[in-house]
Parts: sequence; C-alpha cells; structure tokens
Amino acid sequence: GENVEQHPSTLSVQEGDSAVIKCTYSDSASNYFPWYKQELGKRPQLIIDIRSNVGEKKDQRIAVTLNKTAKHFSLHITETQPEDSAVYFCAASRDTGRRALTFGSGTRLQVQP
Amino acid sequence: DADVTQTPRNRITKTGKRIMLECSQTKGHDRMYWYRQDPGLGLRLIYYSFDVKDINKGEISDGYSVSRQAQAKFSLSLESAIPNQTALYFCATSDRGTGPDQPQHFGDGTRLSIL
Repeated sequence: GENVEQHPSTLSVQEGDSAVIKCTYSDSASNYFPWYKQELGKRPQLIIDIRSNVGEKKDQRIAVTLNKTAKHFSLHITETQPEDSAVYFCAASRDTGRRALTFGSGTRLQVQP
Repeated sequence: DADVTQTPRNRITKTGKRIMLECSQTKGHDRMYWYRQDPGLGLRLIYYSFDVKDINKGEISDGYSVSRQAQAKFSLSLESAIPNQTALYFCATSDRGTGPDQPQHFGDGTRLSIL
C-alpha cells in the first residue's frame, strides 16, 4: 500500500519568514495530494490540494508543488503569521482500486512573533 | 464544519467495555471514514465506506468494527476496549466525484480514554 513520509516533524520560523514542509510517497499511481491544517484542539481542515496533472498550485500565501518523477510534494507558506501556527498534514491517494487517503505523520509549525 | 457530527465528544471508560462512536453527516456524501490520531503518528485509517453496502478495512482495523446504517450514518465500535485504543478519533466524509479523490471533511473528533 501507499506510504507517505513527512518532514520535518517540527518547524519554527520567525513571523514574516517562509516555511516549507516536504512529503514523499511510495505509490507511483497516487494522483491526489491534499494538505490539511489542524489547529490545537480542532478538526483537520483542507487548505490546498493538487492533482497529478499539474505541477504547482497557489492560493494567496500558500502553494503546493508536485514532482511526480521523484514522488514528492511540498507545501510552501510565505509571509508567515502567528495564526499559521498549527499541525500540517500531507496525504496521498489514487482513484483506481478504490483506495482512501494515506496521511503523513504531521509537521508542527510554530510562527514566532 | 457542523455538517459532520460526532458523538460523544469525550468518553472515559474501562478496559473490556464495548464502546460505540457515532458519526452523522448532512453533506449528502457517499463516502465516510474513521481515523484515529495519536501524537506523532498522524491520522491512521481504521475503516472506510464508499456506500452503504461497501465497507473496507483500513491500515489499523484490528480490534474495531463498523456499521453503515444509512448513507448519513457510520458508527465505529470497540468490542472490548483496551488501553492502547486511547486516542482521538475522527470521522470524515467525501463526495463520490469523478476521477481522482475528493476532499475530505472532518468532524470535531471524539476523545476516548480507556482506563
């Protein structure tokens, strides 16, 4: 089955700096890659996703890049703010074989004011 | 997202007890999922259901069972609870869609403690 590895497990940045979180996946048939943000005590919420037919997607201060050859994808947050502090999860799935999402282990991002 | 409701929100129980966690949704989604979350391990899939008659095991189904009573309801049972099942449990839903998978929408979670 699919295996998703996520790095780093913790990340501390100064407000205004950029943050990058990286994930690798094992199943070359995976074609959907969402990112979820989980604030303390809250539910995970989708912040951005990308499908395998594109290499990059942006939404204001966040962007995701996908390298299908290397089987890795990354989340980029620019101009970080204290409210970006949360745990971020990457995930991967494919539409064939009726598989469900496999999540990475999470990255705890702390933005220092 | 109040469209996915989990009950109870918190539960403390003893080893050996039977526990049922319930999930209901008003989003009209066909697909429902149960995950458990442990510190440092992310979200791990227990069971998932693509429609009422289609239930599949996830990566950590041992010790758990599920029931899809209707399109809107998906319950998770621990037949004989053990302490290492202490965790935060999330229900999620997604639309059938076409092509690649669709975004999942999570409930608020059930914090389960087994003494």
